[in-house]
Amino acid sequence: DIQMTQSPFHLSASVGDRVTITCRASQTISNYVHWYQQKPGEAPKLLIYGASNLQSGVPSRFSGSGSGTDFSLTISNLQREDSASYYCQQNFDVPWTFGQGTKVEAK
Amino acid sequence: QVQLQESGPGLAKPSQTLSLTCTVSGGSITSGNYYYNWIRQPAGKGLEWIGRIYFSGMTYYNPSLKSRLTISLHTSTNQFSLKLSSVTAADTAVYYCATDRGSGFPLDFWGQGTLVTVSS
Repeated sequence: DIQMTQSPFHLSASVGDRVTITCRASQTISNYVHWYQQKPGEAPKLLIYGASNLQSGVPSRFSGSGSGTDFSLTISNLQREDSASYYCQQNFDVPWTFGQGTKVEAK
Repeated sequence: QVQLQESGPGLAKPSQTLSLTCTVSGGSITSGNYYYNWIRQPAGKGLEWIGRIYFSGMTYYNPSLKSRLTISLHTSTNQFSLKLSSVTAADTAVYYCATDRGSGFPLDFWGQGTLVTVSS
């Protein structure tokens, strides 16, 4: 299985800050990485697909980058409503796998 | 726009079979536009991909669950289903159904999720 190692596990930052979450794959996966946001009691919501493409309707303060094995999700100008858990996911190979998640707190 | 809704018993007994259904609205599951997935999440933990099915009936299963897993399409009711046999407490989780558009595409539409508890 392809392991997706996400860091940090928890992140606390001030409103207006720029924050970055990283995800490292255990093998090269081209750009077959997607990022999701999940708020408590809700289903995950797609933010970024194909490593760097912003899903329609998602605020432009979210951005993604990377290819190969190293990927990142950046939230510029962090807002309170961005407090949530964030997951990376690969679908380069079965079984599809997710990172462990990053809990972001905007204070 | 596709909408998904999970349904099924919220409780399953150990060693028995967990059965869930996902109802698809906003399009026919035989259109060929989507693959249909199951994902689960134990309380306070991360996401685990269970498997997916295409309108042709082709399935892709997580090897860790494959021996206990069946995902099926029900075209007459525009639904797809999950059956997981020989369940244990480790199968207690919120189960989500979701769609993807094929190789390399993300999980774009999700159901709201349904909690299944395995307990006697």
